[in-house]
Amino acid sequence: GDSVTQMEGPVTLSEEAFLTINCTYTATGYPSLFWYVQYPGEGLQLLLKATKADDKGSNKGFEATYRKETTSFHLEKGSVQVSDSAVYFCALKDPSGGGADGLTFGKGTHLIIQP
Amino acid sequence: DAGVIQSPRHEVTEMGQEVTLRCKPISGHNSLFWYRQTMMRGLELLIYFNNNVPIDDSGMPEDRFSAKMPNASFSTLKIQPSEPRDSAVYFCASSRTSGGSTYEQYFGPGTRLTVT
Repeated sequence: GDSVTQMEGPVTLSEEAFLTINCTYTATGYPSLFWYVQYPGEGLQLLLKATKADDKGSNKGFEATYRKETTSFHLEKGSVQVSDSAVYFCALKDPSGGGADGLTFGKGTHLIIQP
Repeated sequence: DAGVIQSPRHEVTEMGQEVTLRCKPISGHNSLFWYRQTMMRGLELLIYFNNNVPIDDSGMPEDRFSAKMPNASFSTLKIQPSEPRDSAVYFCASSRTSGGSTYEQYFGPGTRLTVT
């Protein structure tokens, strides 16, 4: 079945540091890929997405490129801020999977940015 | 926009009791999803509806769990009887599906369920 693997957290960085959160996936078809962010006490919010190979999703300084050859969708940001502290989820939607419209999530990566 | 509304935000109940979680999707959205989040298993899709019809309930863990969507603006997830291992945060999400394509899922704030 489909699966998403993320690097384990927590990830602790200083403000203005470069961020990479790794994400790899397994899917039976050609999935769409997503990054969601969850701030404390809130639901998930879509951060960015990519729907086909080599697409780059970007939002709020975050970027991720859909790499079909390495089945990866790593999240990057050049200079993080304290306000970026949250839990980040990588997810996929595989139209050929059993739950066609549901999302398959990774376990989440807790990011802590220190001033 | 009010966003996806879930109630209650927190629920504490004793083992064996019935629990009902409620969700109001965003107006105009025709797909609704129920997810469960735990430390051990992360976020899991339980069930989703399209145009009020359950499409895939393969993620529902056991017969103790049931979900309904009587109309386009309301859905419930019921656990009867509840067990401590059901303790989790339950999220509802909605999206618009048109022409075979499903657009962004919008999540509610979640219901934190604790079964003692």
